[in-house]
Amino acid sequence: DIQMTQSPASLSAFVGDRVTITCRASQRISSYLNWYEQKPGKAPQLLIYDASSLQSGVPSRFRGSRSGTDYTLTISSLQPEDFATYFCQQSSSTPFTFGPGTKVDIK
Amino acid sequence: QVQLVQSGAEVKKPGASVRVSCKASGYTFTGYYLNWVRQAPGQGLEWMAWIDPNFGGTKYAQKFQDRVTMTVDTSISTAYMELNRLTSDDTAVYYCARAPSDYYGMDVWGQGTAVTVSS
Repeated sequence: DIQMTQSPASLSAFVGDRVTITCRASQRISSYLNWYEQKPGKAPQLLIYDASSLQSGVPSRFRGSRSGTDYTLTISSLQPEDFATYFCQQSSSTPFTFGPGTKVDIK
Repeated sequence: QVQLVQSGAEVKKPGASVRVSCKASGYTFTGYYLNWVRQAPGQGLEWMAWIDPNFGGTKYAQKFQDRVTMTVDTSISTAYMELNRLTSDDTAVYYCARAPSDYYGMDVWGQGTAVTVSS
């Protein structure tokens, strides 16, 4: 199975800050990497698919990128509604696997 | 609008089975895969399986291979996930989530079904 790691596990930030979350796969996943946001008691929501494609309806402050084996989710200017947990997920091969999550809270 | 609506919360005893339904609306049911993902209390997300409602093809995580059965009823745009031989480790929220195919992100999720396994 492909193992997904994420860093940091949690972070505190101010509204307006630029936030970066990194995900790494244990094997090559050819940019089949997705990012989700999950708020407490709610289902995850797809933000980014194929490493860098913005899902329809998602604000443009969310950006996904890839550098080698590292995949990054960047929120350019953190908004109050962005305080949540973010998960990466590889869809390159089954079993699909998720990162452990990064909790973003208010500083 | 596009949505997946799941059945309600369940409480089961160890050794029992549970069946969760997922009713799709607002899109062509057979045009998208349906995944099942679970989340234990305070934990991360765990993919279980997908089903292709068009051709009936399935793929299971090996961990669930012998305990999970997925079916669809295309006449009512509903998918079902049955999990057998429940243990307390199966206590979780179970989600269905659609994807355009097996390589794509899951773009629409059901609201989740809480399953509690307790004696």
